[in-house]
Amino acid sequence: QKEVEQDPGPLSVPEGAIVSLNCTYSNSAFQYFMWYRQYSRKGPELLMYTYSSGNKEDGRFTAQVDKSSKYISLFIRDSQPSDSATYLCAMTPFGNEKLTFGTGTRLTIIP
Amino acid sequence: GAVVSQHPSWVICKSGTSVKIECRSLDFQATTMFWYRQFPKQSLMLMATSNEGSKATYEQGVEKDKFLINHASLTLSTLTVTSAHPEDSSFYICSVGGIDSPLHFGNGTRLTVT
Repeated sequence: QKEVEQDPGPLSVPEGAIVSLNCTYSNSAFQYFMWYRQYSRKGPELLMYTYSSGNKEDGRFTAQVDKSSKYISLFIRDSQPSDSATYLCAMTPFGNEKLTFGTGTRLTIIP
Repeated sequence: GAVVSQHPSWVICKSGTSVKIECRSLDFQATTMFWYRQFPKQSLMLMATSNEGSKATYEQGVEKDKFLINHASLTLSTLTVTSAHPEDSSFYICSVGGIDSPLHFGNGTRLTVT
């Protein structure tokens, strides 16, 4: 079993829809959780960064962490074609330590 | 947050030659940088942790004599792929993070070995 599981997709939704992306993990030591967006042939771009359980909102993006269930989510509201990318969840026991990544979910927003 | 510059963005080299990739932290003095590798449609795999002023720490299965890492200053780490072979063709990405802050990534270097 992988430490971090993420549905690889691909996921296609119409423009304006709410997108839900999820990851599960097995290592209870993970405390810091991140979501990255990666466009083709580019490095990952940090979207959300959360510590421990709870919700965090930034514009159209909301990150949720449920440590009791070892489950994290990223919600994208009012999705736009520019949101089409691969989304990677990542986590670590410490904020600046090496990350453990999910496999990434490829998302396409259809205009 | 840290801004990371990586150079070159792409490089083509002949089999048997060596290639150097630079990673610069523009906003932040980084004692630690990380080097990742990504194959098409796959996630990032950590190769090594670059430590300023000391030897890099390599992940299991990564050949340290093949992937030479130098972290000579707080703003620069280099990865040299020595005696490159076609199977070394990949997307190499560095990352930088501060204490209690998340990792930011460079834009990657696409290496093609012919």
